[in-house]
Amino acid sequence: EPEVTQTPSHQVTQMGQEVILRCVPISNHLYFYWYRQILGQKVEFLVSFYNNEISEKSEIFDDQFSVERPDGSNFTLKIRSTKLEDSAMYFCASSEWGGETEAFFGQGTRLTVV
Amino acid sequence: RKEVEQDPGPFNVPEGATVAFNCTYSNSASQSFFWYRQDCRKEPKLLMSVYSSGNEDGRFTAQLNRASQYISLLIRDSKLSDSATYLCVVGGYIPTFGRGTSLIVHP
Repeated sequence: EPEVTQTPSHQVTQMGQEVILRCVPISNHLYFYWYRQILGQKVEFLVSFYNNEISEKSEIFDDQFSVERPDGSNFTLKIRSTKLEDSAMYFCASSEWGGETEAFFGQGTRLTVV
Repeated sequence: RKEVEQDPGPFNVPEGATVAFNCTYSNSASQSFFWYRQDCRKEPKLLMSVYSSGNEDGRFTAQLNRASQYISLLIRDSKLSDSATYLCVVGGYIPTFGRGTSLIVHP
């Protein structure tokens, strides 16, 4: 069964450093998402991506964040100058036809900023 | 009013019980709804999609009430393995998650 894969599963970084979280969406899906979940809190939307550009983003997704699809398979989330409060689980998801259809999630990257 | 609201629980039920969760949403134009299951520190996994009035899959039944703007999830004959957090998601340009409802099924 096709699945979304994310790497690394766990990333520890020092405050102020840049991190890149990687995702390989399901191959025939056209819409890609990043969500985050701070421990014990709800899953929060960060950004959606379609046709090689951002289609929607939340207020959380400020200039510190960027996304890229560097090739035909990878979808990355870059966090510049990480802060302690960026510590969270980051989930990548993809869907075939956008937000009105089912999204499938990767297993997540646990980011710990120290 | 919050966009997607769920009772956080926990719902603590014995094996074999029937349990129901509700989820209310604020955007009356929403067309698609989903229930996901999330185990501790794992990714959300799709349980059911709800596009019309309802959907049934084995022990799980989801219903949609557009007039009152809520979706429900009914779990019959609960199993220990049903213990998890159940997330209500309203689809759209920005799919929006509720906080989730915690279910604990005990022997």
